[in-house]
Amino acid sequence: QKEVEQDPGPLSVPEGAIVSLNCTYSNSAFQYFMWYRQYSRKGPELLMYTYSSGNKEDGRFTAQVDKSSKYISLFIRDSQPSDSATYLCAMREYSGGGADGLTFGKGTHLIIQP
Amino acid sequence: DAGITQSPRYKITETGRQVTLMCHQTWSHSYMFWYRQDLGHGLRLIYYSAAADITDKGEVPDGYVVSRSKTENFPLTLESATRSQTSVYFCASSVNSLQETQYFGPGTRLLVL
Repeated sequence: QKEVEQDPGPLSVPEGAIVSLNCTYSNSAFQYFMWYRQYSRKGPELLMYTYSSGNKEDGRFTAQVDKSSKYISLFIRDSQPSDSATYLCAMREYSGGGADGLTFGKGTHLIIQP
Repeated sequence: DAGITQSPRYKITETGRQVTLMCHQTWSHSYMFWYRQDLGHGLRLIYYSAAADITDKGEVPDGYVVSRSKTENFPLTLESATRSQTSVYFCASSVNSLQETQYFGPGTRLLVL
């Protein structure tokens, strides 16, 4: 059974702080890992995706994957009030044939205090 | 405008009525998906489609019907709406199954009374 665990929060931090968001999973078949950002009353938008273990950096965002521990993280540096949103982790198995949707965490609601 | 659109954005209906939610994308993406988002459950896949006339069930398909006669459209029908189907519904599309990026529409908020 696919299962992804994510703390729903809310997580409230002051502007400029480093934010750490995390997900754990139980299905060792997951190979693709993503982070989506969702603003209130909007659809999710892709922030980061990774395939292998290790770190991937994009501006103020860093995605980290530890497959041995089945643990992924998203770090946000120099957090801004505009980063206030719900962050969803998502993952999928490799599928060589048919399509498959993503398995999502429940999302962490992040609040950046000005 | 180019992209993925959903209609209606808001819908109130009654138990037992049939409701169809529309999804349209202008990218000619092969794959399209329907998710529902509920508090405490996150996003869950209802149905997906690999191409026109090819659809398959996701995690929570019961009570829903989909069709895909044209690549750009992927309507979702609730045959006989129930209160448990009150939710926010998101349509998404991607180029192919190995394409990590799924692009989401703005969502449809459905209330079943």
